[in-house]
Amino acid sequence: EAGVTQFPSHSVIEKGQTVTLRCDPISGHDNLYWYRRVMGKEIKFLLHFVKESKQDESGMPNNRFLAERTGGTYSTLKVQPAELEDSGVYFCASSLQEVRGLANEKLFFGSGTQLSVL
Amino acid sequence: QKEVEQDPGPLSVPEGAIVSLNCTYSNSAFQYFMWYRQYSRKGPELLMYTYSSGNKEDGRFTAQVDKSSKYISLFIRDSQPSDSATYLCAMSAHGTSYGKLTFGQGTILTVHP
Repeated sequence: EAGVTQFPSHSVIEKGQTVTLRCDPISGHDNLYWYRRVMGKEIKFLLHFVKESKQDESGMPNNRFLAERTGGTYSTLKVQPAELEDSGVYFCASSLQEVRGLANEKLFFGSGTQLSVL
Repeated sequence: QKEVEQDPGPLSVPEGAIVSLNCTYSNSAFQYFMWYRQYSRKGPELLMYTYSSGNKEDGRFTAQVDKSSKYISLFIRDSQPSDSATYLCAMSAHGTSYGKLTFGQGTILTVHP
């Protein structure tokens, strides 16, 4: 079974440019999460999709970030325009469903996209 | 003050040693406690999952939660070089999305032969 796939693995852009990160969750997983780790800091929650709907976007830093999940399958996270402080590793994770129990709520993480804004 | 505090290390131990990793937290709403292991250039992988206070054992790994002290621990017995990784504690609160986790900063562990 394929895991969570993120693309690209690395992206280097200049300040002011636009970047789009993509996440393909495990097939059949209703829940999709975006997290971010800025250098020297802890991994922080950005937002949560249930199928195609945004359930919780309380962690999104500002309106330069736009996340979508078309058709409840893959998700994209667009940063426009990128700023220096957006540099970090962006992780995507998915889980089966919002029902208590490890089998349902266990998060599977992708390997992340390393974003460098110069 | 951070909601979850974790000593980033680094921690270096000889093979076979017992490793103790710890996190403290301030949010009383946290009910679910996890330990993740992250290898270089990979995403975090769930290692242990516990609910509320108590101990849980899985092979060489033991997770402990003391809610009265707001303190969680992970013990690794007979550590192996393959255990070398970053270990992250994570927590979630009752009533929030199950996958909305608050992470510690992570402890870098090296087990040398």
